[in-house]
Amino acid sequence: EPEVTQTPSHQVTQMGQEVILRCVPISNHLYFYWYRQILGQKVEFLVSFYNNEISEKSEIFDDQFSVERPDGSNFTLKIRSTKLEDSAMYFCASRGEATNEKLFFGSGTQLSVL
Amino acid sequence: GDSVTQMEGPVTLSEEAFLTINCTYTATGYPSLFWYVQYPGEGLQLLLKATKADDKGSNKGFEATYRKETTSFHLEKGSVQVSDSAVYFCALRNQEYGNKLVFGAGTILRVKS
Repeated sequence: EPEVTQTPSHQVTQMGQEVILRCVPISNHLYFYWYRQILGQKVEFLVSFYNNEISEKSEIFDDQFSVERPDGSNFTLKIRSTKLEDSAMYFCASRGEATNEKLFFGSGTQLSVL
Repeated sequence: GDSVTQMEGPVTLSEEAFLTINCTYTATGYPSLFWYVQYPGEGLQLLLKATKADDKGSNKGFEATYRKETTSFHLEKGSVQVSDSAVYFCALRNQEYGNKLVFGAGTILRVKS
């Protein structure tokens, strides 16, 4: 089965630094998502992306966050000036064109902000 | 807003035991309901889904029935295996509010041999 690939699997950074989390969605997919899970809490929606623009975002996704599809294959999440509370597992997901197509998730990037 | 509530874990069972993981939801309209599973070191994988009331989703021996009257989507399996040990997430998607998934907190299942 096709896979969504996320790198790195673990990222440690100092508070205030910028991080970029990388994702390679499945090649013919058109919709892209970022979710996160703070340890012990729910998986939370951050943002969805379609046709080179954000289609929906949650209240978590403030000006500190941005997403980009720089080259037609990668889908990145940038977090500027990281805070301790940004420590979480970040999941990328993608799906195809049909509304009821299932989401394929990556294995996640564990971000630790020290 | 929409929300999903799952039973807290961890749930620890012996091999061949019967499994139930409870899930209830709050949503307007007619959401689609899902169970996702996360095996150690892997991403979330769709286990099963149901898109309308009284639908039963099934896969790999797991089943869940969409019960609108009780707003529930409980996951069941008649005989669990050690390989079923994972984290199970109940989720909904409500097209009235875009296509994002709303997840429950996840339930850890541990199956002992």
